[in-house]
Amino acid sequence: DTGVSQNPRHKITKRGQNVTFRCDPISEHNRLYWYRQTLGQGPEFLTYFQNEAQLEKSRLLSDRFSAERPKGSFSTLEIQRTEQGDSAMYLCASSVTSGGGFPEAFFGQGTRLTVV
Amino acid sequence: AQSVTQLDSQVPVFEEAPVELRCNYSSSVSVYLFWYVQYPNQGLQLLLKYLSGSTLVKGINGFEAEFNKSQTSFHLRKPSVHISDTAEYFCAVGSGNTGKLIFGQGTTLQVKP
Repeated sequence: DTGVSQNPRHKITKRGQNVTFRCDPISEHNRLYWYRQTLGQGPEFLTYFQNEAQLEKSRLLSDRFSAERPKGSFSTLEIQRTEQGDSAMYLCASSVTSGGGFPEAFFGQGTRLTVV
Repeated sequence: AQSVTQLDSQVPVFEEAPVELRCNYSSSVSVYLFWYVQYPNQGLQLLLKYLSGSTLVKGINGFEAEFNKSQTSFHLRKPSVHISDTAEYFCAVGSGNTGKLIFGQGTTLQVKP
């Protein structure tokens, strides 16, 4: 198992363009999370999936952001009409539910987005 | 609502000296507590976690942390740091069973030779 994989690792885009990031979780992990980390800050929760169902979305996830996990495996995060304020590291994590306890999240290496 | 406060944004320390990185949390329900380390342009790696049981938790790379419920703290310690410990450290809190984490703003540990 190679862990959580995110692609691309870096993305530079012009303001107003759309971008899409992909996250491949650890095999058989049924939960997948997206976080955003701006420079000098801790990660902030955006959304999470259990299998293909999106169970929670943060108010940070404006209507320009959309996340999908169509088959309960990989996930995509799309940002439409990017703004300079969207420049950040986008982190994906996955976990597996087990016996009602708190599931440990395993993080990918992130996608760094720069909007110019 | 939950929140996490990391009291120091930067901690400079000499190699082989002890270090403590402070973390306080706020929550109205039982919590689970975590410390993660992040190296430049990398994701987060779990150092240690408190879920239940002993309040003294040992993690990887010689780090340990103590859960103090009365002081709502979860400070991270290492008795002797190495240059390779230079990184960003994040304290995080979770509750329920969603796996969702609330992170502090991070502490930069700078180990000097």
